Amino acid sequence: DTEVTQTPKHLVMGMTNKKSLKCEQHMGHRAMYWYKQKAKKPPELMFVYSYEKLSINESVPSRFSPECPNSSLLNLHLHALQPEDSALYLCASSQRTGGVGLAFGSGTQLSVL
Amino acid sequence: QQQVKQSPQSLIVQKGGIPIINCAYENTAFDYFPWYQQFPGKGPALLIAIRPDVSEKKEGRFTISFNKSAKQFSLHIMDSQPGDSATYFCAASIGYGNKLVFGAGTILRVKS
Repeated sequence: DTEVTQTPKHLVMGMTNKKSLKCEQHMGHRAMYWYKQKAKKPPELMFVYSYEKLSINESVPSRFSPECPNSSLLNLHLHALQPEDSALYLCASSQRTGGVGLAFGSGTQLSVL
Repeated sequence: QQQVKQSPQSLIVQKGGIPIINCAYENTAFDYFPWYQQFPGKGPALLIAIRPDVSEKKEGRFTISFNKSAKQFSLHIMDSQPGDSATYFCAASIGYGNKLVFGAGTILRVKS
């Protein structure tokens, strides 16, 4: 079982809704990530937090707003999404930023109607 | 230069066969090469990883072969089972602070 826990597992939202995705890890990792994955494609990096500070934003639209309340928690706030934003949203963590030992959660399958 | 090219796109093997998935890269600064396994509706799971100072690494039925001069690495699955049917992604990164670059993925089906 993954040690990165994501909730909810599934989410359906309208284009005017506001929702949040949540992620938690207890491995003592200091880097946390949000990825977006479309069907049959590799994960695409969205945001990286290092020691609770945003270190990378891959030019993600402002309708996605990340938040890192503490070293174990990561949120992704969603507002005014478009149908093309429907995807699997993955949280990940690692001891340090970069690719070494990157551990993914099971993801939130998001559908925007 | 930041790309990792993965092949084949899909692969079907019989149970007990040895599927091989290949990846190639251009950037010689890459120093960490992991493989991820992903089942439908789940996140990718780290399967095995290798550093460029080693030519081969085995973990259970999974083996990475690494050819530094050719800038290629591959995943071999020994005695493949239907439960190995999944999408496999190779990836590469440079040290710390740089993002993981993924290959396009290979959909593997192991027929029973």
